[in-house]
This record gives sequence, C-alpha cells and structure tokens, in this order.
Amino acid sequence: SQQGEEDPQALSIQEGENATMNCSYKTSINNLQWYRQNSGRGLVHLILIRSNEREKHSGRLRVTLDTSKKSSSLLITASRAADTASYFCAPKGFNKFYFGSGTKLNVKP
Amino acid sequence: DVKVTQSSRYLVKRTGEKVFLECVQDMDHENMFWYRQDPGLGLRLIYFSYDVKMKEKGDIPEGYSVSREKKERFSLILESASTNQTSMYLCASSSGTGGMNTEAFFGQGTRLTVV
Repeated sequence: SQQGEEDPQALSIQEGENATMNCSYKTSINNLQWYRQNSGRGLVHLILIRSNEREKHSGRLRVTLDTSKKSSSLLITASRAADTASYFCAPKGFNKFYFGSGTKLNVKP
Repeated sequence: DVKVTQSSRYLVKRTGEKVFLECVQDMDHENMFWYRQDPGLGLRLIYFSYDVKMKEKGDIPEGYSVSREKKERFSLILESASTNQTSMYLCASSSGTGGMNTEAFFGQGTRLTVV
C-alpha cells in the first residue's frame, strides 16, 4: 500500500509555538500532499509538494520532502488555537489517495 | 469552489438493512472515492471510480458495492449492514485530467451507526 504514516500520533503545544509533524511512506511517488481534518468533518487540502521539490512554503506552512528517505515533514509556525485539528499526509503515486491515521494536534490558548 | 455533498450527516440503520450512501460533486471530476475512517485505523479506501460505470476495489471492499451511473454521483451500498460497518464514511473527488498533481476534495462525512 502507498499509505503514509504520520508521527507523532498526538502533539500538544502552546499557542505561538511551532508544530512539526512527520510522514513516512514506502513506495515511489509523484507528489505528497498534506490535509487537515477538523473534528468530525471532511479533509481539506493544505499543500502539495512534487517529487522533484525539496521544500515548499504556503503562509505559515512549510513542507519538506526527502525522497531518498521516503519522508516528509509539515511545520506550522506560530501556531494558533484554530490550528487544532488532525493532519494527514497522502503520498500519491497514481490516481488514488492513501491516508494514514494522522497526527492529532492540540494548540492550547 | 468545488463542492462535494454527502446526502446525510448522521444515519442510524438496523442490522441486515440495505444502506445507500450518496455523494455528489459539482466540478465534473472524473475520479471519486469512498473511504471509511475509524479511530486508530485512519482512512481506508473502500472503492474508487475513475469514470462513469468504472470502479476499482480499494483496500477493504468486502461488504460494500458502489454505483456510478452519472459522472457527478457516486453511491456506496452496504448490501446487508452489520455492526462492524459502524463508522465515519467520507466521499472525495479529484480531477483526472490534471495529471498526478491534483488534490482531493472531500464531503463533510456521514457518520453511520448500525444497531
């Protein structure tokens, strides 16, 4: 399976701190995507990084990709209480999206 | 904005009932997906459809079937609901013409309880 595995499973930080989540995968990919899920809702796309890219930024989000290690990280800088959610990576080979169990982030005000 | 709409937010059904979960997208996407999400197991792909009347099994198709008669609508069918199918069901769609670098758009989810 192309399923990504996120680490840690849960992360609790104070507002204003940075949050780092990691993703490992097993197969070759065309791109890797990160999604966010607020409690009990559908997933929302955050950012996509292509296999030939090493780093990408979008607002307070920074994503890195190391294809030699088959790993990616998502950094959220200056976190806010509203960032509290679960975050999933989706390594993408072809048409399908595979998701892991996610990292549950709790940002305390 | 892409909109993916699932017919019900919450659903309670009895064991043995035939259950239909409906999903409609309004962006002419070729690809549509059904996932179930359970605590500790993440999202698992049940079925995938890449065109009208075309489907592919995902990782956990047992006990489910799907129907895609029109491009915008993808239905998940539980032939005979069982308590172990109690879960959150998520529908998603994505463009098939944008190459590999397309994103998935999700519905709001249906929380199904089988009693």
